[in-house]
Amino acid sequence: GESVGLHLPTLSVQEGDNSIINCAYSNSASDYFIWYKQESGKGPQFIIDIRSNMDKRQGQRVTVLLNKTVKHLSLQIAATQPGDSAVYFCAENTDGGSQGNLIFGKGTKLSVKP
Amino acid sequence: KAGVTQTPRYLIKTRGQQVTLSCSPISGHRSVSWYQQTPGQGLQFLFEYFSETQRNKGNFPGRFSGRQFSNSRSEMNVSTLELGDSALYLCASSPGGTLNQPQHFGDGTRLSIL
Repeated sequence: GESVGLHLPTLSVQEGDNSIINCAYSNSASDYFIWYKQESGKGPQFIIDIRSNMDKRQGQRVTVLLNKTVKHLSLQIAATQPGDSAVYFCAENTDGGSQGNLIFGKGTKLSVKP
Repeated sequence: KAGVTQTPRYLIKTRGQQVTLSCSPISGHRSVSWYQQTPGQGLQFLFEYFSETQRNKGNFPGRFSGRQFSNSRSEMNVSTLELGDSALYLCASSPGGTLNQPQHFGDGTRLSIL
């Protein structure tokens, strides 16, 4: 299948502002989506996930939006903090998240200015 | 609960050698997946093991192989190493077999080929 892509490779925001990271996916059969955060020298860390039967899901300071019509996924981070600086990846799966064969996007680097 | 543990953290090999990487999943997780991360190609799925059987396979040559033991621990082997195999190799685990189960990653093994 085709890989998930990202519109912006880098995003710079001011501390306290909201951040929006976007992701486009191409496989219409994908039914499970995940956002990961990767800090330097570490593995990807799970942030939030969403099933295709949902449009929106909220976590602590994060919200994921799914638009199946245009195959678009976004991650919103409220009141961005310096600790949010990292590379963010979206990933998709066609098995409802029951199997471990994720397809990842290229990543967006988020830089938070104090 | 302990996270996913990968050993070794760093490894230096020369072309033509072979290498074995190890992964211990989160306790109770039966699915283990391996990914290769490079600056150029991003995160790419190698293969997934579930209950000691390879369940999914990515688009990598046969030099890349793996196995899973009865305690769910997994090893990945790369034979006849090439310069292009230099990468961060990530292992991820999940319960496996049920929906909406995000994978959780280790911090990876950084493999450098000289």
